[in-house]
Amino acid sequence: AQSVTQLDSQVPVFEEAPVELRCNYSSSVSVYLFWYVQYPNQGLQLLLKYLSGSTLVKGINGFEAEFNKSQTSFHLRKPSVHISDTAEYFCALIEPGTYKYIFGTGTRLKVLA
Amino acid sequence: DSGVTQTPKHLITATGQRVTLRCSPRSGDLSVYWYQQSLDQGLQFLIQYYNGEERAKGNILERFSAQQFPDLHSELNLSSLELGDSALYFCASSFQGGPQETQYFGPGTRLLVL
Repeated sequence: AQSVTQLDSQVPVFEEAPVELRCNYSSSVSVYLFWYVQYPNQGLQLLLKYLSGSTLVKGINGFEAEFNKSQTSFHLRKPSVHISDTAEYFCALIEPGTYKYIFGTGTRLKVLA
Repeated sequence: DSGVTQTPKHLITATGQRVTLRCSPRSGDLSVYWYQQSLDQGLQFLIQYYNGEERAKGNILERFSAQQFPDLHSELNLSSLELGDSALYFCASSFQGGPQETQYFGPGTRLLVL
């Protein structure tokens, strides 16, 4: 069965510092991978996605993620965070040809002044 | 604003009752998804519709049902409600519902079962 693991439930970081949010997945087949952000009292918004090709994916708001097949990881990074990046971040996968999305448990990013 | 609308925003009801949540997709989108977000279970995919037809089922309870109407809006019906059904219910839409497509999420309906 496929699964997504976000090991860090909360990540505090100071403003302008770099951050990495970790995502590991389990699947016996190739998958599509996504990162979504959820700001307080809002729905989810897509940050970036990996479908195929280049393993470094750039998204909105200065975020990027690297797909690592050997380590089954898709970590999200940002070189310098802002207070406005405070939100919950979800990693998700879907198997091509299916329609069932599987989400991780989320990581709360708290950016401190 | 994603363009996806959900009503109502909040709903408070009692155990054993039935409620209907409504979703209007973005203009031009043919596919609608429903998700449940709760503290204990996280974000779970419930069901997907494409152009009026059910396409995929996730962890949707038998007490729950959904449909997509000819005008493409969708309704999620929750019956015989239990305390554990208290959650945030999101609707999302995409153009054709392909797995590679971006989903656009609505603001959610917060359901509280007392």
